[in-house]
Amino acid sequence: QSVLTQPPSLSAAPGQKVTISCSGSSSNIGSDYVSWYQQLPGTAPKLLIYDNNKRPSGIPDRFSGSKSGTSATLGITGLQTGDEADYYCGTWDNSLSAHVVFGGGTKLTVL
Amino acid sequence: EVQLVESGGGLVQPGGSLRLSCAASGFTFSDHYMDWVRQAPGKGLEWVGRSRNKVNSYTTEYAASVKGRFTISRDDSKNSLYLQMNSLKTEDTAVYYCARHSAYYDILTGYYRGHYFDYWGQGTLVTVSS
Repeated sequence: QSVLTQPPSLSAAPGQKVTISCSGSSSNIGSDYVSWYQQLPGTAPKLLIYDNNKRPSGIPDRFSGSKSGTSATLGITGLQTGDEADYYCGTWDNSLSAHVVFGGGTKLTVL
Repeated sequence: EVQLVESGGGLVQPGGSLRLSCAASGFTFSDHYMDWVRQAPGKGLEWVGRSRNKVNSYTTEYAASVKGRFTISRDDSKNSLYLQMNSLKTEDTAVYYCARHSAYYDILTGYYRGHYFDYWGQGTLVTVSS
């Protein structure tokens, strides 16, 4: 059971827009910034979004992030077949054992 | 170019030990916190532990699931991070990633904020099985 809650799977057609939600609590998303990671099949995770909505160099602006209260959202526009991957949200949890926590991951299928 | 390369994975029997290494390059290793994150087959990401940097006395923290069995160390002279895993259990079977941890110090609150992993290694597979 992950600390952060994401939908297990989503699907959309090429060219469409999709949003992936990440729900937490006041001890994690509600009190720190959120990051998002993309994991293509058979590869290591890759940072997509940090500080809720910032993109590292090289990440296209088709990817966006937002946060409101204890929830965060990753948006992907102009879906491409190459976007088919697992997506994870992450943030700091300042409960008893403070550390980075992740969502369970969302498998995005581009039909 | 930042690179993280893990090694040392393999097959080990329950109760056994294994030491993973992570060789870093392309950045000032001693300035950064470094973490281990694992991923069991077909499962999500799980934080394993962290090594803070020299400024923060190289202190370490661990997930409850590995505390007392795993030990993280680092050698800044070799730009390397290590994970010593003892008393291994079948549930420790996973791909282990080392990751560079970034955050900023919030002067107003006195805490670090904005924690994320900006670079990851390719991972090394640890299989615990008899």
